[in-house]
Amino acid sequence: KNEVEQSPQNLTAQEGEFITINCSYSVGISALHWLQQHPGGGIVSLFMLSSGKKKHGRLIATINIQEKHSSLHITASHPRDSAVYICAVRAGGAQKLVFGQGTRLTINP
Amino acid sequence: DADVTQTPRNRITKTGKRIMLECSQTKGHDRMYWYRQDPGLGLRLIYYSFDVKDINKGEISDGYSVSRQAQAKFSLSLESAIPNQTALYFCATSDGTANSYNEQFFGPGTRLTVL
Repeated sequence: KNEVEQSPQNLTAQEGEFITINCSYSVGISALHWLQQHPGGGIVSLFMLSSGKKKHGRLIATINIQEKHSSLHITASHPRDSAVYICAVRAGGAQKLVFGQGTRLTINP
Repeated sequence: DADVTQTPRNRITKTGKRIMLECSQTKGHDRMYWYRQDPGLGLRLIYYSFDVKDINKGEISDGYSVSRQAQAKFSLSLESAIPNQTALYFCATSDGTANSYNEQFFGPGTRLTVL
């Protein structure tokens, strides 16, 4: 079993829908990251979380440390949100990240 | 200009050839990483370096070697390429300070095809 599991693996929705992507992990962590990989391949960091909730524009990330679970939400989704979203955790005092397999999101106009 | 650059961006080569992928960064970070990405799999760590004199193997280092020529440069070599090394390769950097939570900054990727 992977240390970091994302669901769903693929998600297709219509423009305007509210999107939720989930990430569960099995180890104690010091931080969780959400990343976005564009269709051209580039990867950018969206959020770093160690507790609670963060919001940036239409994106919201939450984390529940006790349940070892994080969610990434997109409000009023748009075709430009189409990308692969990747969850990664920094386990305890480790200096490395462990990555989930990614969720491919497609937003149709 | 991009903070983390990779060369080449695309490469097609034949089995048995030696290949070097290069990574440069202008972020002033001490830590650099090489990952590979395969369809349906998460990013997997090949090698990482926390400073010029510190090189560490990641989870899939067999068949690869690295060189940290300077703080800003970290190269990945495939001594004798094989087809199952066909993948998308990413370089990343991070700040080693305690408050950084190991946020990593990625290069644009190198698509390598081994025939």
